[in-house]
Amino acid sequence: DIVMTQSPDSLAVSLGERATVNCKSGQSVLYSSNNKNYLAWYQQKPGQPPKLLIYWASTRESGVPDRFSGSGSGTDFTLTISSLQAEDVAVYYCQQYYSFPLTFGGGTKVEIK
Amino acid sequence: QVQLVESGGGVVQPGRSLRLSCVASGFTFSSYAMHWVRQAPGKGLEWVAVISFDEKNKYYADSVKGRFTVSRDGPKNTLYLQMDSLRTEDTAVYYCARGRRDSTGYDHFDLWGQGTLVTVSS
Repeated sequence: DIVMTQSPDSLAVSLGERATVNCKSGQSVLYSSNNKNYLAWYQQKPGQPPKLLIYWASTRESGVPDRFSGSGSGTDFTLTISSLQAEDVAVYYCQQYYSFPLTFGGGTKVEIK
Repeated sequence: QVQLVESGGGVVQPGRSLRLSCVASGFTFSSYAMHWVRQAPGKGLEWVAVISFDEKNKYYADSVKGRFTVSRDGPKNTLYLQMDSLRTEDTAVYYCARGRRDSTGYDHFDLWGQGTLVTVSS
């Protein structure tokens, strides 16, 4: 199984400041035949299902604000919120879809400082 | 309206069975792989099972293999999860989620239902 490790477990950021969430996979999720990283990011607010933000490590889902961006390749990935807004308070998860079982990181809780 | 609506959750005793349903609408159900993902109370997300768009491929998490069965009914636009030999550790909100078009299951999930709560308790 590919273990997904997120850091930090939680972070508090001032409104308008940058928030950075890290995700490390236990093995590479880069598929060499198509040069794609099988890595997605989700946002989950209390009482709601997760919402897809980023897939293929850096492709923003339609309708997601451009303050959200994803980067990284191989085993190390980052979700960046460039200017934190009040509505971004949530738990963020990374997920690999390179191999079964599909696995998620443990989540990072983002709060307002 | 593009949506997924789960049903079938409830309270069940250990060792008993339950079947969850997920009705899809607003998109061509038969073209997409479909997944079940669960979330224990206060915990993170755990992928449970997938069925490919053409039903040829099914994969399961080790924690449910041999006990849970995923299936789909194209004409009814419905995804199912038959859960047998339930354990207390199966207590969770169960979400159905849409995978990628024409996929065998190696997916991110772009559409989620609201979830249905399964509580396994004596």
